[in-house]
Amino acid sequence: AQSVTQLGSHVSVSEGALVLLRCNYSSSVPPYLFWYVQYPNQGLQLLLKYTSAATLVKGINGFEAEFKKSETSFHLTKPSAHMSDAAEYFCAVSDRGSRLTFGEGTQLTVNP
Amino acid sequence: DSGVTQTPKHLITATGQRVTLRCSPRSGDLSVYWYQQSLDQGLQFLIQYYNGEERAKGNILERFSAQQFPDLHSELNLSSLELGDSALYFCASSIQTGAYGYTFGSGTRLTVV
Repeated sequence: AQSVTQLGSHVSVSEGALVLLRCNYSSSVPPYLFWYVQYPNQGLQLLLKYTSAATLVKGINGFEAEFKKSETSFHLTKPSAHMSDAAEYFCAVSDRGSRLTFGEGTQLTVNP
Repeated sequence: DSGVTQTPKHLITATGQRVTLRCSPRSGDLSVYWYQQSLDQGLQFLIQYYNGEERAKGNILERFSAQQFPDLHSELNLSSLELGDSALYFCASSIQTGAYGYTFGSGTRLTVV
């Protein structure tokens, strides 16, 4: 079975500060890993994905994530937060089958 | 606009009733996935269809059913509704059957009163 744990249901940063959202996964096979963002009253938008190519993955809106097999982690980072980054972020894992298993989500607040 | 269209956007209905949620996938996508998002359960995979056939089943209740039609649109039918079925229901689509990353619709918010 596969699972994802997102550490911290709420993260608050100042505008211009580093954003770090943590995700640890469990998978019995080499996983595919994803980060999605959800803005209020909207669906989920794919930020980036890891599918066993480069371990450092760059996504949209300046976000990136690094796959670390030894730590079973896939943390999401952005060097400088912007007010428009305020949203809920979901990490997800796939065992290369049909479904994505999502974490509980992390609500990011950006303070001016 | 993600290209995945879900209707209706909002639905309010009474307990015991039956509703149908509709999803049109992105052009060219053959796979459709249904997810339920609620405060207590988070995002839960319900079911997947690929080119008209059921491919995978998740935590879908027996009161719920789905199908994918020849034109590839999909419907999720929820019956004998209970208060606990109130949630956001998302449809997503992808070209292939594997989970390489979905495109999500904006969801249908179901409120059961």
